[in-house]
Order: sequence, then structure tokens, then C-alpha cells
Amino acid sequence: GAVVSQHPSRVICKSGTSVKIECRSLDFQATTMFWYRQFPKQSLMLMATSNEGSKATYEQGVEKDKFLINHASLTLSTLTVTSAHPEDSSFYICSARGTWDNEQFFGPGTRLTVL
Amino acid sequence: AQSVTQPDIHITVSEGASLELRCNYSYGATPYLFWYVQSPGQGLQLLLKYFSGDTLVQGIKGFEAEFKRSQSSFNLRKPSVHWSDATEYFCAVGASGTYKYIFGTGTRLKVLA
Repeated sequence: GAVVSQHPSRVICKSGTSVKIECRSLDFQATTMFWYRQFPKQSLMLMATSNEGSKATYEQGVEKDKFLINHASLTLSTLTVTSAHPEDSSFYICSARGTWDNEQFFGPGTRLTVL
Repeated sequence: AQSVTQPDIHITVSEGASLELRCNYSYGATPYLFWYVQSPGQGLQLLLKYFSGDTLVQGIKGFEAEFKRSQSSFNLRKPSVHWSDATEYFCAVGASGTYKYIFGTGTRLKVLA
């Protein structure tokens, strides 16, 4: 149980385009979802926290107009990278927390490459 | 504020030797503590977690970790390392209330045959 999926697993786009990444909790309802960014050989950095039906809370230094997060249902959150540029190329990982404790369950990640 | 320190960026051990990866945290209340592994280009796999109770926690793949409140540490151990254990290890601390995790910078383990 407690499986989280992400789609797509890899995406390549041209500079200036927007890219949407989906994060789904497959077998549980996620009251909270989190989005992380990981640069090569670095750790995971929390970008934002989203609760179903509420606006996302962004960490300091993360541009909310650049990284649009929507948590429309208890099983789906989306991250849209708007007007992507090469510096946005990174590994994006989502996680979801159920209602029973503090543990987050992580998706497999999405590799974004902006040309 | 939460913080996590993994002092060792790289560790090299021989196959069959024992392993200890260090993790120190800073958090005002009782933390939720986690150890994850990550293979290149992959997501995270949970090795073990501590929420409360017994301070010695058993995980998967023969790993264990001990929570020491007095030292603000949650070190990961394995008595005998296998070549397949070579990967990146992350320690994380979770905050009650916000449920946010803060990750350490990671320790890359190399195993010599």
C-alpha cells in the first residue's frame, strides 16, 4: 500500500514552454502533498506544500508564479513549470502524506530537461 | 528551525565490513526521523523510521538505526555491508504539525570488493 506515482517520468521541452507534472496517490487519500527539487549530486529541497482545496505554501526563494501547484483532489497534485528555462532542468519528486501519521510516501521522480 | 547534518559526504568500506553513517539533527521537539536510499535517477526508498518508542529501530536489508536524544543523532548501521549497498543515503527529519521533511546532504557509500 501507500503508492505514489508521477507522470511523466522524463520530459524534454524547449525553452519558454510550460510543463505539467502529475503526482497521484494510488491507494490512499493524501491530505498533504509535497514537491521537491533535486539537482545532480545534491539533496532534496522542499519547494512547496499543498493541501487539497487550498493554495500551496511555497518555501522561501521558490517563485510561486514560476512553479504553479494545484491540489484539486485528495489523490492528485500537479506542478506546472511555466516558461521553463534551462536552469529549471532538474529532478522533481513529489510525496504524499496520508491521514494516519507523519510519514510521506515518495513518487519515483520526473526528470525535466529544458533545451 | 529544523536542520540535518550528514558529516560524511563519501564513505568507502570493504564488502563484509561494518558500516555506520552519521546523522545529526536540530529540532526543538521530538523529531520524526528517517533514513532513505536513492539509486541514480531513481526515487527514494525508505530504509527505516523512528517516531517514538524503542530507540533502536530495525529496517529493511539488515539496517538499523539508533535514536540518541542526548546527542541529537540518528546513526545508521549495518553489521556486514554487501556490494549492492553502494548508493546514496539520506537522513531526514520531519516536523510534527507542518509534516515537512528536511533532508541531509547525503552520504555516498562505495563498497570495495
